[in-house]
Amino acid sequence: DAGVIQSPRHEVTEMGQEVTLRCKPISGHDYLFWYRQTMMRGLELLIYFNNNVPIDDSGMPEDRFSAKMPNASFSTLKIQPSEPRDSAVYFCASGSAVIVPYEQYFGPGTRLTVT
Amino acid sequence: GENVEQHPSTLSVQEGDSAVIKCTYSDSASNYFPWYKQELGKGPQLIIDIRSNVGEKKDQRIAVTLNKTAKHFSLHITETQPEDSAVYFCAASIEAAGNKLTFGGGTRVLVKP
Repeated sequence: DAGVIQSPRHEVTEMGQEVTLRCKPISGHDYLFWYRQTMMRGLELLIYFNNNVPIDDSGMPEDRFSAKMPNASFSTLKIQPSEPRDSAVYFCASGSAVIVPYEQYFGPGTRLTVT
Repeated sequence: GENVEQHPSTLSVQEGDSAVIKCTYSDSASNYFPWYKQELGKGPQLIIDIRSNVGEKKDQRIAVTLNKTAKHFSLHITETQPEDSAVYFCAASIEAAGNKLTFGGGTRVLVKP
C-alpha cells in the first residue's frame, strides 16, 4: 500500500489567498483525520470523518477553515482567506475501526507558509 | 476532555544507553495508548501501542508499560542508536470517542554517538 498521500508537499501563498490541501487515505480505512502541527501548539486535531461524514470539527480554528470528504478516497482542507498565523504543517491521517481499531497512519504532511 | 502530559520535553542520551519517556492521562476511560516517532520533515510514524488490557508490550528494543491505576504509561528504548534520534509523541484514545487521539506535547530525543 502507498500509505496516506498528501498534496502539495509545500505551499507558499500570500495572505488573503485561498489554499486547498488534499489527502488520499489508505484504501479500506473508514476514518480520516486532519491535524495541524506548530512549535507553539504541537499536534492539534482539526476535524475527523467517519465513513465520509464529519464527526468532530471542534478543533477547526475558525470559519475560514473548511473540510470535505466527497468519497472514501479523497478529502480536502480549505483555508479562505489565509493568514500568516495559518503557517504550519498540516497532516492527514487515516485509520480503521475494523481492521486494527484505533491505529492511525499519518501522511507526509503539507508545509504551508502564508506571507 | 482528555489531557495528556508528556515528560521530558528533551532528552539527550549516549549511544547504547536507555531512554525513558513518561506520559500521564486524565480520563480513566482511555483504553488505547500509541507512541509515534517523527523524524525531521516527515509525518509521525506509529512505532508501538498498548491497550488497557495489558500492562507491558515489547518490540525488539522498544517497550511500553501501562499503569492504569496511576494513569500513566511509558516508552522505554534500550541500546539506543543514532537513528533513534527523533521527536516521540504519546497519545491516548477513548473507545467512546471513536478513533480520536489526544497527543502529548512530544519529546525530542538526541542520541549522541
